[in-house]
Amino acid sequence: GESVGLHLPTLSVQEGDNSIINCAYSNSASDYFIWYKQESGKGPQFIIDIRSNMDKRQGQRVTVLLNKTVKHLSLQIAATQPGDSAVYFCAEWGEYGNKLVFGAGTILRVKS
Amino acid sequence: ETGVTQTPRHLVMGMTNKKSLKCEQHLGHNAMYWYKQSAKKPLELMFVYSLEERVENNSVPSRFSPECPNSSHLFLHLHTLQPEDSALYLCASSATGTYKSPLHFGNGTRLTVT
Repeated sequence: GESVGLHLPTLSVQEGDNSIINCAYSNSASDYFIWYKQESGKGPQFIIDIRSNMDKRQGQRVTVLLNKTVKHLSLQIAATQPGDSAVYFCAEWGEYGNKLVFGAGTILRVKS
Repeated sequence: ETGVTQTPRHLVMGMTNKKSLKCEQHLGHNAMYWYKQSAKKPLELMFVYSLEERVENNSVPSRFSPECPNSSHLFLHLHTLQPEDSALYLCASSATGTYKSPLHFGNGTRLTVT
């Protein structure tokens, strides 16, 4: 992911709507990607992952899409709920080494 | 319960103090990590241990000293810290093997250096 400096982008959605959170990653050799959710006062929580040999993966209410051509990752949350309000991070793992590199994060606010 | 437990949850220390952060994982993983999370930057990797051996040291100042006595425990020893070291320190663990696997994080230690 790319750092956006001091201010995190914010996505505001109405409860029940679908949310799409985007992430641009930097290393074309990265072959493993993870989405995390971080609520206030807690550590990042694993949501879903995808390897570079796939372009889509679905979980419960979440879908991750990977576009390697433009180095873009997205997280779709269906029927967004107030409990989905958090900061969402994408993370990429390069082909070699031990580093999982995180993006700056996106704040998701769900309006009731 | 995250499976990764960090203590203490909050720590306030002076610049001349020595303290240690503790992390314990109950997931049977064999790799452990320290990350720093501050308000102005993305999560920064500090140290990686795999099978109790340090495999990554991400240009971290020597005032931070990690210790991994076994695959379930990880410490971060702190001494003569600076105010800019105030941050949330996150521990994580993962399985290692043929395929990469997700890191599982604790809830962090909120460190304030006065």
